[in-house]
Amino acid sequence: SQQGEEDPQALSIQEGENATMNCSYKTSINNLQWYRQNSGRGLVHLILIRSNEREKHSGRLRVTLDTSKKSSSLLITASRAADTASYFCATVTGFQKLVFGTGTRLLVSP
Amino acid sequence: SQTIHQWPATLVQPVGSPLSLECTVEGTSNPNLYWYRQAAGRGLQLLFYSVGIGQISSEVPQNLSASRPQDRQFILSSKKLLLSDSGFYLCASSRDRDRQYFGPGTRLTVT
Repeated sequence: SQQGEEDPQALSIQEGENATMNCSYKTSINNLQWYRQNSGRGLVHLILIRSNEREKHSGRLRVTLDTSKKSSSLLITASRAADTASYFCATVTGFQKLVFGTGTRLLVSP
Repeated sequence: SQTIHQWPATLVQPVGSPLSLECTVEGTSNPNLYWYRQAAGRGLQLLFYSVGIGQISSEVPQNLSASRPQDRQFILSSKKLLLSDSGFYLCASSRDRDRQYFGPGTRLTVT
C-alpha cells in the first residue's frame, strides 16, 4: 500500500523558478527520503531526513519534515530544465523497507 | 557506492510464457535486496525483499516469485505471465535504513 501521497501530482514551471513538492504519510517513521526518477529510468536518492530533524539542505534542495503533521516538503531552488523528472518521497518505518508515495511529475521549461 | 545491474532492459513476452529477470549487485556484500514494480505514471510497489541467500519475503500475493541463489544476485520469475504483469520492474539494494540504490529497470510488456 502507498504510505505517502505527493502533492501536486504534476507541476509545470519556468527555469529559474522554485519548485515545491509536498508529501504526506500515515504512520510513524524512522526517516523520510526523496528520490528522483527520470523518464523510464531507475530512481536516484536525493536526500534523507531523520525523524528528529526538521530541515535539511543539499545544494539546491531543501527538505522539511513535520512529524506532528506527518508531512514533508521538497524545495528545488532556481530550477533548471535538467530538473525535469518525477520526484517521490519514501518512508522507512521499521525494517529497511521503503514505502513510496505516488510521485510528483515536474516539468521545467527553458 | 553500490552499482545495480539489471537485464534485460526491455522485454516483450506473450501471455502464458515464463519470465526470468536478473539483478546483480556490485560494491557491497550481504545487502538487502528488493524487487519493485511500477505501473505507468504510478509509484513503486514493493514485491519482494531478501535479507540473505535463500531468504525471500513476499509483500503482495501475485503471479511472481523471487529467488536469491547468491549473495548479490536476485531473480524475479514467473511460470506463466499474465497481462497484468506488464510494468517497469526495478531492483534495489541497501545495507541499512539510509538509502536504497536502484538499477536501471526492466520494462516488461506482456502481449
